[in-house]
Amino acid sequence: SQTIHQWPATLVQPVGSPLSLECTVEGTSNPNLYWYRQAAGRGLQLLFYSVGIGQISSEVPQNLSASRPQDRQFILSSKKLLLSDSGFYLCAWSVNIGAFSNQPQHFGDGTRLSIL
Amino acid sequence: SQQGEEDPQALSIQEGENATMNCSYKTSINNLQWYRQNSGRGLVHLILIRSNEREKHSGRLRVTLDTSKKSSSLLITASRAADTASYFCATDATTGGFKTIFGAGTRLFVKA
Repeated sequence: SQTIHQWPATLVQPVGSPLSLECTVEGTSNPNLYWYRQAAGRGLQLLFYSVGIGQISSEVPQNLSASRPQDRQFILSSKKLLLSDSGFYLCAWSVNIGAFSNQPQHFGDGTRLSIL
Repeated sequence: SQQGEEDPQALSIQEGENATMNCSYKTSINNLQWYRQNSGRGLVHLILIRSNEREKHSGRLRVTLDTSKKSSSLLITASRAADTASYFCATDATTGGFKTIFGAGTRLFVKA
């Protein structure tokens, strides 16, 4: 069966520090991968998605970047964190059927990031 | 602007009652999905309904879709305290690229 791992679960970082959040998927090949941010009590904002190794699409201009160095690994990074980067970050995967289709997404348990 | 918007924002019911949540969207869709999120956790996919379907069932869940009104509803029958969570609808758009858009969610609280 497929599983998705996301870590760390919580993170407290000072303003201006770098960030690296990692997400890995097991039990499937060539998935679509997603990074979302969720503000408290709100819906999800899509930050990045990837349809293959090295292929990253950014949805919103921001202080963050994403990379996909391996098929089932998705990394969210920042060189210098801002206060506004605080939030709940979720990684997800879906089956890649070769063309966009609103397939069910499977989420990790998230990383709660607090910037001080 | 939001593609999917849930209504109500919050709902509090007694155990055993039915819970109905609604979702409205703006543009044509290929399908609509409902997700559940327990506090502090990731989202869990509940059900997907395609644009050519009108109703779908899964256990105690019943989802309807009215494409003429651009709306969907999620009914949870005989609710349990364990159903306490936030529920989100998610839609794609038939135009505009590769994106699934989530609404802000309905927070359901089921009192034992």
